[in-house]
Amino acid sequence: EAGVAQSPRYKIIEKRQSVAFWCNPISGHATLYWYQQILGQGPKLLIQFQNNGVVDDSQLPKDRFSAERLKGVDSTLKIQPAKLEDSAVYLCASSAVGTGESTGELFFGEGSRLTVL
Amino acid sequence: GNSVTQMEGPVTLSEEAFLTINCTYTATGYPSLFWYVQYPGEGLQLLLKATKADDKGSNKGFEATYRKETTSFHLEKGSVQVSDSAVYFCALSGYSTLTFGKGTMLLVSP
Repeated sequence: EAGVAQSPRYKIIEKRQSVAFWCNPISGHATLYWYQQILGQGPKLLIQFQNNGVVDDSQLPKDRFSAERLKGVDSTLKIQPAKLEDSAVYLCASSAVGTGESTGELFFGEGSRLTVL
Repeated sequence: GNSVTQMEGPVTLSEEAFLTINCTYTATGYPSLFWYVQYPGEGLQLLLKATKADDKGSNKGFEATYRKETTSFHLEKGSVQVSDSAVYFCALSGYSTLTFGKGTMLLVSP
């Protein structure tokens, strides 16, 4: 079974530039998550999708971050304009368990490491 | 709100030593508890879980018991190997997703 795919693995940009990350979840997984992991901290949820609808985006900085999940499969996370404090690893995860149920196992991709100079 | 507190690392051990990584939590209701592991260069992966009080999760020689009275879920292993070197994250389930601790790095030397 193929795992969660993310790209690019690494990205270096200057502040105020834009960047986009792509995620392809495990086939058949209805729920998709984007987490931000700053060095030395645990992952923090940015946004959660159930199929192509947003379940939770309460911690997404909406003035600069946006995410979409067209057709309920792949997802894209965009940052525009980037700030220095956005330097982090952006993790995508998927789960077969739907909203409102006991959280099952999340399957994580390898992450996309962003450096903002 | 929900939160998870882990002991700070790095934890440095010799091979075959006993491991304990402490984890305590604050949560409303009755969350499930998890330990995830992140090996160098890889994504997070579930190590073990427990869904109710007094449950013991176990995998690959690691164990953790869900203690509701002390709100703890400490990770233990009787004899660590060099290949166990990784970052370990304690997490709890909320309504529909996970809240993670900051992670504890484990370094095992031969």
